[in-house]
Amino acid sequence: GNSVTQMEGPVTLSEEAFLTINCTYTATGYPSLFWYVQYPGEGLQLLLKATKADDKGSNKGFEATYRKETTSFHLEKGSVQVSDSAVYFCALRELGGSQGNLIFGKGTKLSVKP
Amino acid sequence: DVKVTQSSRYLVKRTGEKVFLECVQDMDHENMFWYRQDPGLGLRLIYFSYDVKMKEKGDIPEGYSVSREKKERFSLILESASTNQTSMYLCASSGSPTDTQYFGPGTRLTVL
Repeated sequence: GNSVTQMEGPVTLSEEAFLTINCTYTATGYPSLFWYVQYPGEGLQLLLKATKADDKGSNKGFEATYRKETTSFHLEKGSVQVSDSAVYFCALRELGGSQGNLIFGKGTKLSVKP
Repeated sequence: DVKVTQSSRYLVKRTGEKVFLECVQDMDHENMFWYRQDPGLGLRLIYFSYDVKMKEKGDIPEGYSVSREKKERFSLILESASTNQTSMYLCASSGSPTDTQYFGPGTRLTVL
């Protein structure tokens, strides 16, 4: 079945550090890939997405490239801020999948210290 | 902006009680979803609905039911709450299966 595996947290970084959160997937078709972010006390928000191989999603300084050959969609940011502290979820949706259901990873908690 | 609202942010219920969680979206979306979020497990789909009065089971429907009488409203029902249903419940909606899902703020339910 389809699944998403992302690195376990928590991840603690100092402000301005480089961030990578690894995400790999297993899917029978050609999924769309997503990163969602959940700030403390809030629901999930879409951070970025990519719908086909070699696409790069980007938003708020975050980037992720859809790598079909390594079935990966790693999240990166060059210089994190305290305000980036949140839980990050990688997710996939398979094209033609039942009503567009998302399959989520377990989430990675990021804490950024001043 | 799309707005998805949930009736309560925090809820405390007792074992055996019937619990209703309400979700309302204001963008005329066809698709609505209920997830539960647990530490170390991520989000898991309970039920979804792609039209009024239509519903489909997700990955973990046991112990839950849903109701979609109006397009904008999707209710999650715990017929007889149990302690293992203590969790964060998130509602989402989307315009079509391939559109972005928009999430509500969540309801943290504690069953004593």
